Amino acid sequence: QQQVKQSPQSLIVQKGGISIINCAYENTAFDYFPWYQQFPGKGPALLIAIRPDVSEKKEGRFTISFNKSAKQFSLHIMDSQPGDSATYFCAANYGQNFVFGPGTRLSVLP
Amino acid sequence: KAGVTQTPRYLIKTRGQQVTLSCSPISGHRSVSWYQQTPGQGLQFLFEYFSETQRNKGNFPGRFSGRQFSNSRSEMNVSTLELGDSALYLCASGIADSQFFGPGTRLTVL
Repeated sequence: QQQVKQSPQSLIVQKGGISIINCAYENTAFDYFPWYQQFPGKGPALLIAIRPDVSEKKEGRFTISFNKSAKQFSLHIMDSQPGDSATYFCAANYGQNFVFGPGTRLSVLP
Repeated sequence: KAGVTQTPRYLIKTRGQQVTLSCSPISGHRSVSWYQQTPGQGLQFLFEYFSETQRNKGNFPGRFSGRQFSNSRSEMNVSTLELGDSALYLCASGIADSQFFGPGTRLTVL
C-alpha cells in the first residue's frame, strides 16, 4: 500500500515533443503529490506538485494531471528541450511521510 | 534563504569502518529526512527527525542511525560499513508537506 509505481523506466523524446510520465498509488491517505527532477551528481529538486482537490496544475511547460478515482497522476513536459534530460521522480506523501517512485530517465534528443 | 547543505560531499571508506554524515536544513525547517539512493534501488527512506526526535524509520539495519540537534542540524552514522553501503546519501529539509533535498554525500566503500 505504500508503493508508488512509475512508468516508463526510461523515455527518449525528440526536441519539441511531449514527454509523459505516469505514476500510480494505492494509499488514499496520500494528500500531496510532488514531482522531482534530478540531474547527475545533484540532489532531486522539487519541480511541481499537486493536491488531490484539483485535476490539473500547470507551471510553464510542466503540467500535472491528477485522477483521484483511478489513483493515478502524470507529468507532461511540453516542448521538451535537451536541458530537460534528467531523471524524474514522482512522490506521494502525507505530512513528511514520503514515498517515491523508482524514477524515469528522460533523454531529449536535439 | 540558503538551501540544504550536506558535508562532506564525497567520502571514501573501507569495509568495517564507520562514517558520519552531516546535514544542515533550510532555516526554519524542523524536519530532516535521510535517504539512500542507489542505481538499483532508487530512493530508499532511512529515517526522519523532527524537533530532535526520530519520527519515522525505514527498513534499514541498526547499523544506520541518526540524530538531530536543537538547531535542527542532523547527522547520520553508519557503522561497520559494507560494500553495499556505497551510495548517494541525501538529506531533505522539510516543512509542512514539502521536502527540499541537499546535494548529497557520495559514499564509496572499498
